[in-house]
Amino acid sequence: KAGVTQTPRYLIKTRGQQVTLSCSPISGHRSVSWYQQTPGQGLQFLFEYFSETQRNKGNFPGRFSGRQFSNSRSEMNVSTLELGDSALYLCASSEGQRTDTQYFGPGTRLTVL
Amino acid sequence: GNSVTQMEGPVTLSEEAFLTINCTYTATGYPSLFWYVQYPGEGLQLLLKATKADDKGSNKGFEATYRKETTSFHLEKGSVQVSDSAVYFCALSDTGIFFQGAQKLVFGQGTRLTINP
Repeated sequence: KAGVTQTPRYLIKTRGQQVTLSCSPISGHRSVSWYQQTPGQGLQFLFEYFSETQRNKGNFPGRFSGRQFSNSRSEMNVSTLELGDSALYLCASSEGQRTDTQYFGPGTRLTVL
Repeated sequence: GNSVTQMEGPVTLSEEAFLTINCTYTATGYPSLFWYVQYPGEGLQLLLKATKADDKGSNKGFEATYRKETTSFHLEKGSVQVSDSAVYFCALSDTGIFFQGAQKLVFGQGTRLTINP
């Protein structure tokens, strides 16, 4: 099976702009989670979607949003970008049960200038 | 809330040395525990996992045992190789309060491991 894919791999934006990142899960996986990785804060959970419904959400401002489509592909959007949003954004997919393993994509490196 | 604490790095060892990376956790309920590895420029790869107390996860010579009495999940390898150089993350699965099966991984801060030939 193909792994989790994320597009684009690299992105450069300026403050105030918005950005959309895309994630395609492993075939058959219905859960998609998003994480932000920064040197200062480490890996932090953003949100999780299962069958097009947001099941869990981390402590991020409302500028961070996401959605999931009927084919389980997911997008996350960040509006009004700030310098502190520069990070590696990782997407992970799983079958969706508590003990299931999450499989990660390679990430999208976002740089905000 | 739930949390994971890893030993601080960086850790530098010689090839064929014994490796231990300590991981302790604070959690309510019965989380699953994981070790993930991240190579430069890549995402996270699952190294091993354990879903209940006394389970031992193992993969590629790495082992970790889920110890509920000491709330620990230490990573060990008997003989490390240069190719094991990476950042290692300990994590637990934190289920949502309202939804059965909801997933959220809580990570430790990561331990950078360098193996010298």
